[in-house]
Amino acid sequence: AQTVTQSQPEMSVQEAETVTLSCTYDTSESDYYLFWYKQPPSRQMILVIRQEAYKQQNATENRFSVNFQKAAKSFSLKISDSQLGDAAMYFCAYPPNFGNEKLTFGTGTRLTIIP
Amino acid sequence: GAVVSQHPSWVICKSGTSVKIECRSLDFQATTMFWYRQFPKQSLMLMATSNEGSKATYEQGVEKDKFLINHASLTLSTLTVTSAHPEDSSFYICSAKISSYNSPLHFGNGTRLTVT
Repeated sequence: AQTVTQSQPEMSVQEAETVTLSCTYDTSESDYYLFWYKQPPSRQMILVIRQEAYKQQNATENRFSVNFQKAAKSFSLKISDSQLGDAAMYFCAYPPNFGNEKLTFGTGTRLTIIP
Repeated sequence: GAVVSQHPSWVICKSGTSVKIECRSLDFQATTMFWYRQFPKQSLMLMATSNEGSKATYEQGVEKDKFLINHASLTLSTLTVTSAHPEDSSFYICSAKISSYNSPLHFGNGTRLTVT
């Protein structure tokens, strides 16, 4: 079974600083998607960013970017210029095969923003 | 953007009763929806895949007679927790995907179930 590992249960960062959340996964597939979801206190799951494994270029969405290392099966999320509204649980997620919507989530990282 | 509506947002029921949770895709058709369960301070665990017009596919360890799933239309899936017990208290979240290949999953707001 595929696994998704987030080794940082909690992280904190000063407002306006940069923080990186780590995620590793296990797969035998060559093409797949990887996702980062944010879950604020409202518990709504919000898609932060998505990476397609066959693309060499790291995905970027405004202040959010990924460092995708396919050979190392690593998929970290970098948040630049951290804002108070970024405080949330962050989950890395991975589908079992390409195009499959059934996601396996990591255990999550709770991010605290220090004013 | 695509919206998934889940109802109710929270529900309290007595042990032994059944509770129905609805998941609707408001502005798109979803042939497949997913039901997740989340215990406090834990991750989301997939319970089942709901397929429009056919039986749901349950993950290992999930009792299909306990958690009844009905996907009667392209915009509605329901999860019924039958004969609920306190250990069924949890946060239940549904998700759906627009049929096009590249579109991401969209999640409902979740339902907090408390069984007394």
